Amino acid sequence: EIVLTQSPGTLSLSPGERATLSCRASQSVSGSYLAWYQQKPGQAPRLLIYAASSRATGIPDRFSGSGSGTDFTLTISRLEPEDFAVYYCKVYGTSLFGQGTKLEIK
Amino acid sequence: QVQLVQSGSELKKPGASVKVSCKTSGYTFTTYAMNWVRQAPGQGLEWMGWINTNTGNPTYAQGFTGRFVFSLDTSVSTAYLEISSLKAEDTAIYYCAKDKYYAAFDPWGQGTLVTVSS
Repeated sequence: EIVLTQSPGTLSLSPGERATLSCRASQSVSGSYLAWYQQKPGQAPRLLIYAASSRATGIPDRFSGSGSGTDFTLTISRLEPEDFAVYYCKVYGTSLFGQGTKLEIK
Repeated sequence: QVQLVQSGSELKKPGASVKVSCKTSGYTFTTYAMNWVRQAPGQGLEWMGWINTNTGNPTYAQGFTGRFVFSLDTSVSTAYLEISSLKAEDTAIYYCAKDKYYAAFDPWGQGTLVTVSS
């Protein structure tokens, strides 16, 4: 089974800064099969990006996804206070999500 | 708009069974598959599998065979997750999530907390 490793585990940044989150797969995957989610405390996850780089409905354009093969990136261009949360990646056909990156306010 | 509304929290004893419902609205239920995801307390997300809402055929991920059953009632646009022989380690929030694309689930239900304790 494909294993997804997210880094860093925790990212401390200030509002207005740029965030770069990584998701590495243990074997090559089709970019069409990768999605990113955001989860805030006490809430269900929310789809941000699908097919590696397509924004889901209603997602601000400061969120972008990129990558191919085994390395994928979620970028938040300018952090807003509401962006501080946990982010997960997921690949089609695997039961595991990545272990998550916690984005916290510095 | 598309909505998935799940049943309320459950407290069960070890060995009992529980059935979680996920009532949908705002779209044609049989057009999109339904996924189930588990989140243990303070832990990450684990995809349990999915059910074809057109045929009723379920697919279970590794680790979710045997005691876990996905089912449907298309007459009320509702999906169900039943867990039998509950164990303490089944304590978690269970989410339903509508299929959108490969690995892309959107939207999600609000989650159902199942607590297994004697």
